[in-house]
Amino acid sequence: ILNVEQSPQSLHVQEGDSTNFTCSFPSSNFYALHWYRWETAKSPEALFVMTLNGDEKKKGQISATLNTKEGYSYLYIKGSQPEDSATYLCAFSTSGTYKYIFGTGTRLKVLA
Amino acid sequence: DVKVTQSSRYLVKRTGEKVFLECVQDMDHENMFWYRQDPGLGLRLIYFSYDVKMKEKGDIPEGYSVSREKKERFSLILESASTNQTSMYLCASSLGRGGDGYTFGSGTRLTVV
Repeated sequence: ILNVEQSPQSLHVQEGDSTNFTCSFPSSNFYALHWYRWETAKSPEALFVMTLNGDEKKKGQISATLNTKEGYSYLYIKGSQPEDSATYLCAFSTSGTYKYIFGTGTRLKVLA
Repeated sequence: DVKVTQSSRYLVKRTGEKVFLECVQDMDHENMFWYRQDPGLGLRLIYFSYDVKMKEKGDIPEGYSVSREKKERFSLILESASTNQTSMYLCASSLGRGGDGYTFGSGTRLTVV
């Protein structure tokens, strides 16, 4: 059974703090790793799709790295703002499959 | 520009009722999915469809069925709703296999009383 784990499950940070989360996934038969942001009462929004070992992606103050050999990805938020409060989901997909395996998410609360 | 639309944001149904959750996408995606999200368990796949009239079971199909008569519409059916089906239901669609990413609907929070 393929398993994707995210840590921490939740965290609270102060506005302006930088933070990071981890997504661990199986290192075999890797195809892509996806990060989503899910704000309350909204649809999960795609942040990054990462496919190559060593990939680094950036979107504003959010960035992500990928290590497919050891099976982990980090998501970083620099200078967190209250509007960054959301659940951050990662999902792993293998080659030729339609479906993704999701982690349980990291719930971030940024306090003003 | 809403791309995946779920028919209801909140729904309350009685135990034993037949419940229909509707999802429509306007992106001409081949694949559509139904997930449920419960605290501490993450998103779990109920059913998915990779073509019209085609369907495959996900990880937790028991108590559910699906229908995909048209490419843009994927319906989730709770044959006889039970309280353990109280959950957030998310619909998603994607274009191809593996790396294309999902587009999600905004979810339906179903409460079965």
